[in-house]
Amino acid sequence: QKEVEQDPGPLSVPEGAIVSLNCTYSNSAFQYFMWYRQYSRKGPELLMYTYSSGNKEDGRFTAQVDKSSKYISLFIRDSQPSDSATYLCAMSGMDSSYKLIFGSGTRLLVRP
Amino acid sequence: NAGVTQTPKFRILKIGQSMTLQCAQDMNHNYMYWYRQDPGMGLKLIYYSVGAGITDKGEVPNGYNVSRSTTEDFPLRLELAAPSQTSVYFCASSYSRRQFTDTQYFGPGTRLTVL
Repeated sequence: QKEVEQDPGPLSVPEGAIVSLNCTYSNSAFQYFMWYRQYSRKGPELLMYTYSSGNKEDGRFTAQVDKSSKYISLFIRDSQPSDSATYLCAMSGMDSSYKLIFGSGTRLLVRP
Repeated sequence: NAGVTQTPKFRILKIGQSMTLQCAQDMNHNYMYWYRQDPGMGLKLIYYSVGAGITDKGEVPNGYNVSRSTTEDFPLRLELAAPSQTSVYFCASSYSRRQFTDTQYFGPGTRLTVL
């Protein structure tokens, strides 16, 4: 079983839709949770990070962590074609903060 | 400010050949990382460095070597290339090791095929 599971997609939605991207994990020691966006043939870029449980909002993006269920989500409101990319979740624990464990990524396609 | 640069962009190697993937950053970052990204497998840490002269193994270091003689450069060496090393390699850097609060900047990647 992988430490971090993420549905590879692709997820295809019409422009303006609300997108929900999710990851589950098995290691209860994870405390820090991140979402990266990766455009085709580019390196990942950090989109959002959260610590422990709760929500964090940044513009059209909301990151949510439910540690009791070992489940994290990224919501994108009013999705745009420019949001089409692969979204990678990543997480780490307090004792090995340099070791990010990545999900395999979900490919998102927003149709105009 | 070029950020993180990687060369070459693409490379095809024969089994048993060696090569060095170059990585440079101009942001004066202390921490640098090498990852590989395989289809459907996410990013895996190969090696990392906390400063010039200091390197350490990540999750998948076998078959690779690194050195860090300057703050700017962090080359990754492949000795005796094997088909299992076919992957996309990303170099990244950050100001501190606190990846969860400090942005990690990635280079554009090197696509390596070993035949």
